[in-house]
Amino acid sequence: NAGVTQTPKFQVLKTGQSMTLQCAQDMNHNSMYWYRQDPGMGLRLIYYSASEGTTDKGEVPNGYNVSRLNKREFSLRLESAAPSQTSVYFCASRGGSFQETQYFGPGTRLLVL
Amino acid sequence: AQSVTQPDIHITVSEGASLELRCNYSYGATPYLFWYVQSPGQGLQLLLKYFSGDTLVQGIKGFEAEFKRSQSSFNLRKPSVHWSDAAEYFCAVGARGNTDKLIFGTGTRLQVFP
Repeated sequence: NAGVTQTPKFQVLKTGQSMTLQCAQDMNHNSMYWYRQDPGMGLRLIYYSASEGTTDKGEVPNGYNVSRLNKREFSLRLESAAPSQTSVYFCASRGGSFQETQYFGPGTRLLVL
Repeated sequence: AQSVTQPDIHITVSEGASLELRCNYSYGATPYLFWYVQSPGQGLQLLLKYFSGDTLVQGIKGFEAEFKRSQSSFNLRKPSVHWSDAAEYFCAVGARGNTDKLIFGTGTRLQVFP
């Protein structure tokens, strides 16, 4: 099992450009999450999807959209990137035998110039 | 407000020394508690978790944590640190029965000297 995978690993954008971060999990988990990690701030939840077909806002949703494409895949879109969105983005999933534990992907490092 | 506090931003220890990383939380009810570790350039890996029962929980890599309800704390310990333990450590809490909205602390960076 690959667990949670994310693409790309690293991306540089110019202000105003758009991009989609991809996340997939092969653990048959119901719930998936997008976080951002900034120095000194820990991880903050952007959006989550408790099940296929549903999405909900987290703590810092402004400037982002998400799509739960199917049970495996959960994408995060930046429509018009801003320097404040420079961060490391983590995808996570939860479900299965250890229902309450979230499992994390390796992260995408995004730099917005 | 719900929050998690990790008061130590950066800790330095010598290899072989003991370690304790502090975590305090503010939550309406006793939450589920987690410790994650993040090696440089990597994602977060679960070290251990507390849901109920014995308040001393064992995790991977020789780590343990003790839940103290009276102090709202969930401190992480290791008796003898190895150089490979150098990483950032995050404490997190979530609602019992539904951990969709985990609240993370700001992390403690551990540096290990030989």
